[in-house]
Amino acid sequence: DAKTTQPTSMDCAEGRAANLPCNHSTISGNEYVYWYRQIHSQGPQYIIHGLKNNETNEMASLIITEDRKSSTLILPHATLRDTAVYYCIVRTRSSGSARQLTFGSGTQLTVLP
Amino acid sequence: NAGVTQTPKFQVLKTGQSMTLQCAQDMNHEYMSWYRQDPGMGLRLIHYSVGAGITDQGEVPNGYNVSRSTTEDFPLRLLSAAPSQTSVYFCASRTGEPISGNTIYFGEGSWLTVV
Repeated sequence: DAKTTQPTSMDCAEGRAANLPCNHSTISGNEYVYWYRQIHSQGPQYIIHGLKNNETNEMASLIITEDRKSSTLILPHATLRDTAVYYCIVRTRSSGSARQLTFGSGTQLTVLP
Repeated sequence: NAGVTQTPKFQVLKTGQSMTLQCAQDMNHEYMSWYRQDPGMGLRLIHYSVGAGITDQGEVPNGYNVSRSTTEDFPLRLLSAAPSQTSVYFCASRTGEPISGNTIYFGEGSWLTVV
């Protein structure tokens, strides 16, 4: 199962772009990269996911390197409400045929006023 | 659109008591799962279900039972609560096995304290 490595914490100035890196060097060819975030005392929230092409939605952009061994989540104009723990996740396979998500410790992003 | 609904939001139990955390989803999702999150840590999978009548163990199943009698409901039972089960519990659901990937929807969490 592919595992991910993220920095423990990052700061970002309000209004600037937040770039959150993630390493997943053991990712296999059919595994997707997912990003979730968890604002304090709330359930995790889906942000974006991708396989090998860069993706963009209303919340963020996801840049995946050509070798797929790392990715970067970009919040283009961070606001104070983006302060959260951000999880980079690669789909894993547990016993049986189901695919579940394995959450690591994530990156605590603090957006500073 | 209710999504994933968990109850109760907060609960205090005494050691040895039993209780059930309820989870319901109204999106007709096949897959449902329960995670626990301890302070400063990521989510760990307790049990999951790939459809009504089918359940399986996740990473940390000991001390918990689940059942899936309907597509909508996936209750988590603590048979004899222990202080080590003090945690925040999240229920989640998603659609079936993806070709293009899919998202997971989480409930708002249930804060459980065992004293």
